Amino acid sequence: DVKVTQSSRYLVKRTGEKVFLECVQDMDHENMFWYRQDPGLGLRLIYFSYDVKMKEKGDIPEGYSVSREKKERFSLILESASTNQTSMYLCASTQGATNEKLFFGSGTQLSVL
Amino acid sequence: AQSVTQLGSHVSVSEGALVLLRCNYSSSVPPYLFWYVQYPNQGLQLLLKYTTGATLVKGINGFEAEFKKSETSFHLTKPSAHMSDAAEYFCAVSETSGTYKYIFGTGTRLKVLA
Repeated sequence: DVKVTQSSRYLVKRTGEKVFLECVQDMDHENMFWYRQDPGLGLRLIYFSYDVKMKEKGDIPEGYSVSREKKERFSLILESASTNQTSMYLCASTQGATNEKLFFGSGTQLSVL
Repeated sequence: AQSVTQLGSHVSVSEGALVLLRCNYSSSVPPYLFWYVQYPNQGLQLLLKYTTGATLVKGINGFEAEFKKSETSFHLTKPSAHMSDAAEYFCAVSETSGTYKYIFGTGTRLKVLA
């Protein structure tokens, strides 16, 4: 069965720490996405990648960066975590065309204290 | 820019009653349209999607949605709610060409009353 795996379900970090959120998919998908989910705001796109080493900013990229060195892995990096980055982070992937469905990981609930 | 509006952040229905969750999009060019469901402590999973062809789309768990171009809507319905339908539902759109962005609505939490 298709799988998108996020490395941590829960994460607690301190303000100013560098944080890495990892996502791995086993479907050989071209496109990978990072969203953050906040109550009342739905899912907002942070970054996406349509190929290895290729990335594009989403709607809320400030304070985040990404890395895609291998096709199956897409990392989200918080260079200096802040309390307003406390959120649920969801990784997703899809193959090719935009009429394809997104496959989601189970999410990482990040708390920044 | 493309946007998605879901009317009603919380909807309550009785078990066995009709479920209607509303979704409107903003694009003048019809996008691809999706409904996803999120159960507690899980990621999102696809309920159904509209790309081309028949405007009434059937999905999993008895849900269906109708694409109405004139109303720029894609409302989700189910004739008879079940307790297991309690979850959060998200409408999403993607462009038919160009960017790979998928835009989500703010979600509707469905509560099913016994």
